[in-house]
Amino acid sequence: DAGVIQSPRHEVTEMGQEVTLRCKLISGHNSLFWYRQTMMRGLELLIYFNNNVPIDDSGMPEDRFSAKMPNASFSTLKIQPSEPRDSAVYFCASSLGRGKYGDTEAFFGQGTRLTVV
Amino acid sequence: AQSVTQLGSHVSVSEGALVLLRCNYSSSVPPYLFWYVQYPNQGLQLLLKYTSAATLVKGINGFEAEFKKSETSFHLTKPSAHMSDAAEYFCAVSLLYNQGGKLIFGQGTELSVKP
Repeated sequence: DAGVIQSPRHEVTEMGQEVTLRCKLISGHNSLFWYRQTMMRGLELLIYFNNNVPIDDSGMPEDRFSAKMPNASFSTLKIQPSEPRDSAVYFCASSLGRGKYGDTEAFFGQGTRLTVV
Repeated sequence: AQSVTQLGSHVSVSEGALVLLRCNYSSSVPPYLFWYVQYPNQGLQLLLKYTSAATLVKGINGFEAEFKKSETSFHLTKPSAHMSDAAEYFCAVSLLYNQGGKLIFGQGTELSVKP
């Protein structure tokens, strides 16, 4: 398997523009996690899906952020409108979650480095 | 509530020397603990994990970690550092018992290896 695939790897956009980050899960995985990494705050969990359903979005910073799983293998994280403080590296990770008896390892993508100017 | 503290944001060792990266955790339930490594401009790669089996856990690239409940610690060690070990290392605790993707990370420790 090619692992978790994120696109684009780098994104530079102007303040106020809409940004969409994409993630393809490892085949067969059914849990999906979006993380954000910044110098100030480190790695933070934004949202977590299980079987395409958002389970916990308490880490999503503002209503400007939204995430979806249109199907079992793909997810998007959208920021609209974007702001300079959104600049960060965004990672998605997937695991073979089994609900209550879930898996114990998440596999991370290479990340998308977002710069909002 | 779960939390992770990594002592030392930067550790420098000589090639061939012992590597010791410190991690202390706080968890209200039996924890799942992880060490990840991040190379520049890369994602996170799992080094090893503790899942309530053996307290001494061996991982990839010669790393190991020991779970000490009495000390709430999960320090990462490697007997002999290699130049290729230079990277950032993250300790993490699972927020849910037996769910390894919902993680709280420490702030990270950057490891430098001198020739």
